[in-house]
Amino acid sequence: GAGVSQSPSNKVTEKGKDVELRCDPISGHTALYWYRQSLGQGLEFLIYFQGNSAPDKSGLPSDRFSAERTGGSVSTLTIQRTQQEDSAVYLCASSLGGRGVSYNEQFFGPGTRLTVL
Amino acid sequence: AQSVAQPEDQVNVAEGNPLTVKCTYSVSGNPYLFWYVQYPNRGLQFLLKYITGDNLVKGSYGFEAEFNKSQTSFHLKKPSALVSDSALYFCAVRAEYGNKLVFGAGTILRVKS
Repeated sequence: GAGVSQSPSNKVTEKGKDVELRCDPISGHTALYWYRQSLGQGLEFLIYFQGNSAPDKSGLPSDRFSAERTGGSVSTLTIQRTQQEDSAVYLCASSLGGRGVSYNEQFFGPGTRLTVL
Repeated sequence: AQSVAQPEDQVNVAEGNPLTVKCTYSVSGNPYLFWYVQYPNRGLQFLLKYITGDNLVKGSYGFEAEFNKSQTSFHLKKPSALVSDSALYFCAVRAEYGNKLVFGAGTILRVKS
């Protein structure tokens, strides 16, 4: 079946602009995660959605970052007033939810490479 | 807070030889441990996980990992390496009731023919 998809695959923007990154999780997966992968920081957790529960936003690096998940499916990560240090690959992952959400493996999308000039 | 250490930035091994990629972790309570592999310009792929039970876990592509609670380790192993195993490998841990999957810095595996 279809895996996790992300769009765009590449995004180049100018410092100060806003960007939106999209994630389409695997159908039926109620848990959705965003991560950031950069050379200096490795893989960082950003935010976690599980069903209708309030998202865990503890990994968002600043208030310029926000994310929403509409209808329990598609998610959008928004970065406002982008800075050069936001340049990274943004990865989305989804997994089955429920009681086993902590040990269900996550399936990752191919990522969006963001470059802020 | 959880953490993962992958002490080797790179591991080099000859094709056909056994390989080990090391991982140690720190977490409160029971750990859920994972290995992922990343090929160039591709997303992360799940290899295997430890939840509970048998300390030796078998996964995809002939990989296995051994959970050692006393040493807080979860080393990835394969009896006979292939050139196609060359990639970036990540170990990750999640606390039993936690939301966050925490990754190690990654280890580059190079298998030479």
